[in-house]
Amino acid sequence: DAGVIQSPRHEVTEMGQEVTLRCKPISGHNSLFWYRQTMMRGLELLIYFNNNVPIDDSGMPEDRFSAKMPNASFSTLKIQPSEPRDSAVYFCASSLAVKGEAFFGQGTRLTVV
Amino acid sequence: GENVEQHPSTLSVQEGDSAVIKCTYSDSASNYFPWYKQELGKGPQLIIDIRSNVGEKKDQRIAVTLNKTAKHFSLHITETQPEDSAVYFCAVSGGKLIFGQGTELSVKP
Repeated sequence: DAGVIQSPRHEVTEMGQEVTLRCKPISGHNSLFWYRQTMMRGLELLIYFNNNVPIDDSGMPEDRFSAKMPNASFSTLKIQPSEPRDSAVYFCASSLAVKGEAFFGQGTRLTVV
Repeated sequence: GENVEQHPSTLSVQEGDSAVIKCTYSDSASNYFPWYKQELGKGPQLIIDIRSNVGEKKDQRIAVTLNKTAKHFSLHITETQPEDSAVYFCAVSGGKLIFGQGTELSVKP
C-alpha cells in the first residue's frame, strides 16, 4: 500500500480564496483524522471520522472549516474563505480502529497570503 | 477534554547517552498511549505504543513505561545515535488521539 496520500503537498493562496485539501486513507482503514500543525499550537486534532461518519469535530476552529468523507477512500478539508492565520501544515491520518496505530500522510503545507 | 503535557520541549544529549521524555495526561479513561517520531518535512511516524493493561514495553533501544495511577508515561531511548535526532510526540487516546506539544531531541556526535 502507498500509505496515506495527501494532495496537494504545497498550496499558496490569497486571503479570501477557497482551499480544498484532499486525503486518501490506507485501504481497509475505517478511522480518519485531520490535524493541523503549527509552531505555536503543535498538532491539533480538527476532526475525526469513523466508518465515514464524523465523530468529533470539536477541534474545527471556525465555521470557515468543513470536512467531508463521502466514501471510505476519500476525504476533504475545506477552508472558505481562507485567512493568513490558517497557514499551517495539515495532516491526514488513518487507522484500522480509533484506538489503533495512526498512519500519517506527508502533509499539505498551506500558505495564505 | 483530554489534556496532554510533555516535557522537556528540547533535549540535547551526547551520542551514546540515554534520553527520557515524559508525558502526563488528565483523562483516566484513556487507554492507548503511542509515541511518534517526526523528521523534518515528514508526517509523524509511530515508534512504539503501550496499552493500559501493560506497565512497560521495549523494542530494541526504545522503551515506554506507563503509570496509570499517576497518569504519566515516559519514552526511554538508550545508546542514542545522531539519526535519533527528531521531534518526538507522545499521544493519548480514549477515543480521539490527542498529542503532546513535542520534544525536539538533538543527539550530538
